[in-house]
Amino acid sequence: GQQVMQIPQYQHVQEGEDFTTYCNSSTTLSNIQWYKQRPGGHPVFLIQLVKSGEVKKQKRLTFQFGEAKKNSSLHITATQTTDVGTYFCAGSKNFNKFYFGSGTKLNVKP
Amino acid sequence: GAGVSQSPSNKVTEKGKDVELRCDPISGHTALYWYRQSLGQGLEFLIYFQGNSAPDKSGLPSDRFSAERTGGSVSTLTIQRTQQEDSAVYLCASIQSQGVGTEAFFGQGTRLTVV
Repeated sequence: GQQVMQIPQYQHVQEGEDFTTYCNSSTTLSNIQWYKQRPGGHPVFLIQLVKSGEVKKQKRLTFQFGEAKKNSSLHITATQTTDVGTYFCAGSKNFNKFYFGSGTKLNVKP
Repeated sequence: GAGVSQSPSNKVTEKGKDVELRCDPISGHTALYWYRQSLGQGLEFLIYFQGNSAPDKSGLPSDRFSAERTGGSVSTLTIQRTQQEDSAVYLCASIQSQGVGTEAFFGQGTRLTVV
C-alpha cells in the first residue's frame, strides 16, 4: 500500500542552527500537507503543497514539493526554541485519504 | 462548535474493561480519521470515514477495536477487553471534504491509560 516515509526521526540542534525534515512517498502524490505538534498538544496544519516543484515560505520555514511529486521537505532557518515539536508530513493520492509520515521530533537547545 | 471535540479527555480503565471514546467533528465535515499516538511516537492510523462510503478499517490493530460514525457526524471508537498496550492518546481529525485546500483539524485527544 501507499506509504509516506519521513526522516530523520529525531533532530537535536543548537538555537540558531538550521533544520530540515524530509518526506518520501513510493507513489506520486496529489498533494502534501505539513503539520506541527507541540509537546503535549495535537497536530496543527501548517501548509499544503499541490504543484510539482512548488516552494512556499512562512517566515523562517520553507516547504518544497519535488518535481515528481514523490518527495517534500520542510526547512527551518535559524531555529528558535519556539520551533520545538514534532513535524509531520501527510500525503494523499487523488486528494483522498491522507497518509501521515512518522514525524520528526525537533529539539532546540538554547 | 468551533473545533473538533473529543471526550473524555482522560480515561483510566482496568485491564479487560471496555471503553468508548467519542469524537464530535466540525459541523459539515465529511471526512473523519482516528489515530493512535503512543508516548513520543508518531501517528498510527486506525480508521477513516468519508461521507457515505464504507469506512477504511485497515488500521484497526485487532478485532477488539471498532468504530462507528452516526449520521455522518459523531464518531465513537470502542475498545473491548482493553489491554495495557492499548494505553495511548487517541486523536480524532475531521476534514471539510477531501480535495484541494482542505486541512485536517485535530481534537485534543483522549489519553487512555489501562491499568
